[in-house]
Amino acid sequence: EVQLVESGGGLVQPGRSLRLSCTASGFTFGDYAMSWFRQAPGKGLEWVGFIRSKAYGGTTEYAASVKGRFTISRDDSKSIAYLQMNSLKTEDTAVYYCTRFDRWLPRIWGQGTLVTVSS
Amino acid sequence: EIVMTQSPATLSVSPGERATLSCRASQSVSSNLAWYQQKPGQAPRLLIYGASTRATGIPARFSGSGSGTEFTLTISSLQSEDFAVYYCQQYNNWPRWTFGQGTKVEIK
Repeated sequence: EVQLVESGGGLVQPGRSLRLSCTASGFTFGDYAMSWFRQAPGKGLEWVGFIRSKAYGGTTEYAASVKGRFTISRDDSKSIAYLQMNSLKTEDTAVYYCTRFDRWLPRIWGQGTLVTVSS
Repeated sequence: EIVMTQSPATLSVSPGERATLSCRASQSVSSNLAWYQQKPGQAPRLLIYGASTRATGIPARFSGSGSGTEFTLTISSLQSEDFAVYYCQQYNNWPRWTFGQGTKVEIK
């Protein structure tokens, strides 16, 4: 069964850092690009960032709202994607979803992990 | 950025009735439009891609239409499990995906 499991969420103070992990199973992780989305409480969905597979250079792209603060990386040997979040703001409070990219779309989603930025 | 606008924000429908949801793009996205269903506490689930192709396992009562800037999701006969929030998403500019603000389909 194809599965994505996010972890690492929690309560963090503004200005601090947090790293989320996305552990994949049921498929060859290294063959796929991965992406992160988020959803603030009671709000809609927002794309956060994207990392290509190593076959396509492993390069990344980010939404303007997080560029320069968030970094996506991957460890294909462990089948894990990471979202490093620095200089967190209260408006970063959201459920963060990890997704598997396939034919232009995020077709497989994890269950999400809640990040709360508050003093 | 391509802005997606959905209407209405809330749709009240009786079980067994038809629901029609609309989505408009600020510029043409061709047929690169997807629809997702999200229930409380759950991740979004892909329903439709390519504006009109149902994803694997999606019942035939869900159908999509449109191209360019105007799109529609129709649920032909609402079942109890269909009451949820529905989002449209453009992927013409992937990976810079953008979503509409969502339409909540509630029981009338």
